[in-house]
Amino acid sequence: DIQMTQSPSSLSASVGDRVTITCRASQSISSFLNWYQQKPGKAPELLIYAASSLQSGVPSRFSGSGSGTGFTLTISSLHPEDFAVYYCQQSYSTPFTFGPGTKVDIK
Amino acid sequence: EVQLVESGGGLVQPGGSLRLSCAASGFTFNNYWIHWVRQAPGKGLVWVSRINSDGSSTDYADSVKGRFTISRDNAKNTLYLQMNSLRADDTAVYYCARDPFAMGTMGSWGQGTLVTVSS
Repeated sequence: DIQMTQSPSSLSASVGDRVTITCRASQSISSFLNWYQQKPGKAPELLIYAASSLQSGVPSRFSGSGSGTGFTLTISSLHPEDFAVYYCQQSYSTPFTFGPGTKVDIK
Repeated sequence: EVQLVESGGGLVQPGGSLRLSCAASGFTFNNYWIHWVRQAPGKGLVWVSRINSDGSSTDYADSVKGRFTISRDNAKNTLYLQMNSLRADDTAVYYCARDPFAMGTMGSWGQGTLVTVSS
């Protein structure tokens, strides 16, 4: 199975900050990497698919990059509604594994 | 509008069975793979299973293989997850999710249904 790791596990930031979250895969997954946002008590929502493609309706302040084993999710300017948990997930092969999540909260 | 509505969760004893349903609307159901993903209380997301558009191909996480069965009724626009031999560590919110690309991406999610396995 492909193992996914994320760093940091949590971070505190202020509105307007630039935030970067890193995701690493235990083997190369090409660009088969997705990012999700989950708010408390809600279902996850897809933000980025195929490492860098923005899901329809997602604000352009979200961007993704990377390939192979290293990936990043960047929020260019944090908005109040962005405080949430972010998960990466590989779709290269089953089982489709998720990272452990990164919690972004208010400084 | 894409809608996925899970049902069938509840309290069940260890060793028991439960069948979850996911009713789909707002899109052509038989064109899409669908996944089940679960989340234990306070924990992260775990992929459980997926089924292809016509139901001919399925995959499972090792933790549920042989105990859970995913299926679909395209005439009823409904996905199922039959869960047998339930264990305490199966306790979680179970989400169904539509895969827009048939490539393991979960593009639209339901609201989830809680399964609690406890005596």
